[in-house]
Amino acid sequence: GAGVSQSPSNKVTEKGKDVELRCDPISGHTALYWYRQSLGQGLEFLIYFQGNSAPDKSGLPSDRFSAERTGGSVSTLTIQRTQQEDSAVYLCASGAREDQPQHFGDGTRLSIL
Amino acid sequence: QKEVEQNSGPLSVPEGAIASLNCTYSDRVSQSFFWYRQYSGKSPELIMSIYSNGDKEDGRFTAQLNKASQYVSLLIRDSQPSDSATYLCAVKQGGSYIPTFGRGTSLIVHP
Repeated sequence: GAGVSQSPSNKVTEKGKDVELRCDPISGHTALYWYRQSLGQGLEFLIYFQGNSAPDKSGLPSDRFSAERTGGSVSTLTIQRTQQEDSAVYLCASGAREDQPQHFGDGTRLSIL
Repeated sequence: QKEVEQNSGPLSVPEGAIASLNCTYSDRVSQSFFWYRQYSGKSPELIMSIYSNGDKEDGRFTAQLNKASQYVSLLIRDSQPSDSATYLCAVKQGGSYIPTFGRGTSLIVHP
């Protein structure tokens, strides 16, 4: 498809388990972003990838969170040893030129039991 | 620290009225401005981009930018109940790929 694709759309897991969330950006977009949005809250920036440059990890809340982007395209956000406070919607967005807007995927709703 | 401020609302307007949503930002060198609409339980959807001072119109939507006063606004004409959503303002500093988002304004359009 033409938009940002995220999978899974929903993920329920037990506290302490590791989870992987996937994002496939719009073809040709060099910038890729991960955000977290808790219920009723604003967007929380997590990490940003631009081409082959080192990612901006300044928004990652703890060392349990990591992300990679392979071949400048697909990205995976990994949360290790999940905690209940990790429950949120994780949104991925991609963008083209620096002055252009981001386009969001539908998100992954993560629930930690 | 770069900040983007929006009134959280809710802003309630009757159907057919003009809804006015405002956003102020702190970083004077900001150059790119975006409005997103987010329905409950959905992801943000881009409505408008604006880069120059003045007005930009797209259908029922008009974005207004005033860099000297550091505000950007979104007007929705002939508001419909389907416009009921949270509207997010996002601001990018020139040369930066990472926008700063406001927390959003909740709009309710009642019949």
